[in-house]
Amino acid sequence: EAGVAQSPRYKIIEKRQSVAFWCNPISGHATLYWYQQILGQGPKLLIQFQNNGVVDDSQLPKDRFSAERLKGVDSTLKIQPAKLEDSAVYLCASSLNTGAANTIYFGEGSWLTVV
Amino acid sequence: GESVGLHLPTLSVQEGDNSIINCAYSNSASDYFIWYKQESGKGPQFIIDIRSNMDKRQGQRVTVLLNKTVKHLSLQIAATQPGDSAVYFCAEIMDTGRRALTFGSGTRLQVQP
Repeated sequence: EAGVAQSPRYKIIEKRQSVAFWCNPISGHATLYWYQQILGQGPKLLIQFQNNGVVDDSQLPKDRFSAERLKGVDSTLKIQPAKLEDSAVYLCASSLNTGAANTIYFGEGSWLTVV
Repeated sequence: GESVGLHLPTLSVQEGDNSIINCAYSNSASDYFIWYKQESGKGPQFIIDIRSNMDKRQGQRVTVLLNKTVKHLSLQIAATQPGDSAVYFCAEIMDTGRRALTFGSGTRLQVQP
């Protein structure tokens, strides 16, 4: 079974530039999450989708971050304009449903460095 | 706000010894706890979980203990191996509709050969 795919794996941009990350969840998984993980910290939820609807985006900095999952499958996370403090790993995860955590699978992450 | 936290940032053990990683939580509404292992350059990997109506659960070489009285969670790894070297996170799910994970800050486990 293919895992959660993310791209690009690594990205370096200058502050005030924009960047987009792409995620392809495991086939059939209805729930998709984007997490931000700053070095030395645990992942923090940015946004949760159930199919193509947003379940929770309360921790998403909406002035610069946006995310969509138009067809209920792939998702993109965009940052515009980027700030130095956005340097982090952006993890995408998916699960069959919003229930048991042992169905939540993480991708390898997209590493962002803002200089 | 309430959050999941960890006592020690780094734990160093000898190969073959048992490891104990601790975690404190403060949200009494949490009903489900999970331990994740994260190796360098990879995403978190599920290890073991426990529901709030249990106090112990065992897996292969791992045991999770839950003490709801003091709001404490621990992960025990038996006969620690070099491949166990990683950062370990405890995470919780509160009994809310969205049921997303809230992670702690992590403990780095270093296994010395």
